[in-house]
Amino acid sequence: AQKVTQAQTEISVVEKEDVTLDCVYETRDTTYYLFWYKQPPSGELVFLIRRNSFDEQNEISGRYSWNFQKSTSSFNFTITASQVVDSAVYFCALISSGSARQLTFGSGTQLTVLP
Amino acid sequence: GAGVSQTPSNKVTEKGKYVELRCDPISGHTALYWYRQSLGQGPEFLIYFQGTGAADDSGLPNDRFFAVRPEGSVSTLKIQRTERGDSAVYLCASSLILVGGTGIKLVKNIQYFGAGTRLSVL
Repeated sequence: AQKVTQAQTEISVVEKEDVTLDCVYETRDTTYYLFWYKQPPSGELVFLIRRNSFDEQNEISGRYSWNFQKSTSSFNFTITASQVVDSAVYFCALISSGSARQLTFGSGTQLTVLP
Repeated sequence: GAGVSQTPSNKVTEKGKYVELRCDPISGHTALYWYRQSLGQGPEFLIYFQGTGAADDSGLPNDRFFAVRPEGSVSTLKIQRTERGDSAVYLCASSLILVGGTGIKLVKNIQYFGAGTRLSVL
């Protein structure tokens, strides 16, 4: 069985603040992939990043950065200098080698960036 | 097409009716997935197709739900005798998976999603 937990249901920040979205996962498999998706009000899930279980290097893409720590089973997502357009629901998800091709999603974090 | 296309974007039906939801995946993508998203929740897996066949339908909640992909491209999710509890957003995704000689080789394993069909059962 596998599980993804996003304990933060809602976060509200003021524009230009940094914000970190937490993600904790559970899986018995040693080979797995972690993902972050963004869901704006339009409803479409937008792929942001994929990380495999053998690559613990942190990644930075513009204002976005991801911190993967196997020791704590966490894959946290930080937005630096947040903007109003970052307002959306963000989902962390997991595919493991034992789960065929199905993504297991967390319940999402609603991020609101205020002007 | 450029992205995953789902139609209709909204569907309102009455309890007991039959509905069909359509998904047109990204051109060339061999794998297609259906998920269901209830309000305030993350998407939940329903079924996965590799080519024309359903490789994994373990997420279908009961036998009222059925999906097909007859030509390995467009897929239709069919729901019979709809119930109010079926109300949700139904999301479709596709990805590119290459089938090798001895098994399946994943290529990036990234699922790209459509905007979904919002189903309301009255």
